[in-house]
Amino acid sequence: GDSVTQMEGPVTLSEEAFLTINCTYTATGYPSLFWYVQYPGEGLQLLLKATKADDKGSNKGFEATYRKETTSFHLEKGSVQVSDSAVYFCALSDLGYKLSFGAGTTVTVRA
Amino acid sequence: EAGVVQSPRYKIIEKKQPVAFWCNPISGHNTLYWYLQNLGQGPELLIRYENEEAVDDSQLPKDRFSAERLKGVDSTLKIQPAELGDSAVYLCASSPATGATGELFFGEGSRLTVL
Repeated sequence: GDSVTQMEGPVTLSEEAFLTINCTYTATGYPSLFWYVQYPGEGLQLLLKATKADDKGSNKGFEATYRKETTSFHLEKGSVQVSDSAVYFCALSDLGYKLSFGAGTTVTVRA
Repeated sequence: EAGVVQSPRYKIIEKKQPVAFWCNPISGHNTLYWYLQNLGQGPELLIRYENEEAVDDSQLPKDRFSAERLKGVDSTLKIQPAELGDSAVYLCASSPATGATGELFFGEGSRLTVL
């Protein structure tokens, strides 16, 4: 079945550092790909998405490119802030309504 | 616009006791989901409703779990009897009727601790 594998955490880095969280997927069709984020004490919320190969999703300085040839959707941000501390989940949807999530990566940014 | 509302936020019970979680989705969202999130893992779908119909409940452990969505709005997830392994966060989410974008709107979750 469809599945997502993402980089294990936790990840700790300093403010203004570069962040990459790796995500690869397995799917039989042509899924849409997502990054969700969970800030402390809050519910999961969509960070960005891409619906077809070579699409780039972006939001709040984060970017991820849908790479069909490597079945990847890595999340990147060039300069993180303390407020980016959260748990990040990679997810895919092959049918438009059911999300399959990765295990999550906890990111802590130190001032 | 109000988001997805869940209650209670926290619940501690002893094993073999019943427990119920309530969810009020975003107004106008016809699709409602219940997800289970174990510690250190990603959410896993338990059940999906389209209006009042459960269209995907293949992952719901039906021997002890039940859910309902009367009138196609609010939903309740029940566990009876609870087991130690049920300790987790139960997430409710909703999406518009088409759901084609794949974006789900999540509540803050109900954290269950079974002693």
